Amino acid sequence: AQRVTQPEKLLSVFKGAPVELKCNYSYSGSPELFWYVQYSRQRLQLLLRHISRESIKGFTADLNKGETSFHLKKPFAQEEDSAMYYCALKVQGNKFYFGSGTKLNVKP
Amino acid sequence: GAVVSQHPSRVICKSGTSVKIECRSLDFQATTMFWYRQFPKKSLMLMATSNEGSKATYEQGVEKDKFLINHASLTLSTLTVTSAHPEDSSFYICSAREGSVYEQYFGPGTRLTVT
Repeated sequence: AQRVTQPEKLLSVFKGAPVELKCNYSYSGSPELFWYVQYSRQRLQLLLRHISRESIKGFTADLNKGETSFHLKKPFAQEEDSAMYYCALKVQGNKFYFGSGTKLNVKP
Repeated sequence: GAVVSQHPSRVICKSGTSVKIECRSLDFQATTMFWYRQFPKKSLMLMATSNEGSKATYEQGVEKDKFLINHASLTLSTLTVTSAHPEDSSFYICSAREGSVYEQYFGPGTRLTVT
């Protein structure tokens, strides 16, 4: 069965420090991975998807099929990056399965 | 951008009663809507997928007679929690997708409290 694991519930870093939010997945089919972000008092929104291979707000994520990982990275965190981040796996049938989320707290 | 609304944002009901939650796509036609449930400090759990004009597809472990989903139009899906119990108290979130586009747009969620 499909599964998404985000091992860190909370990640605190100082402004300007590098950030890596971990995500591992389990899926027998061809995976399609996404990162969603939820800022305070806002709804979930798409941050990036692995197929696009793009950098959004300085964040990047590379799909590593060997390690079944899709970690989210940013070289220099900003205070406005503080939010909940969810890793999500899209499976056949266009259904999404989410990890439990990591709260990123960027301190000044 | 695409906007999805949910109504109500909060609802308190008594045990044994039913409560309906609406999910609307405001500026696009949502051919597919998803319903999620979020437990405190936990992930969003996919409950069901609904396609306009057809029966919803429920995830394993989700009682279809308990959580009735209707997607009668391209802009509206409803989730009815029947004979609610305190353990149904949760945060329910819907999302909507247009056509075969991969991106889904999320509603703000509905906080259900069953007393």
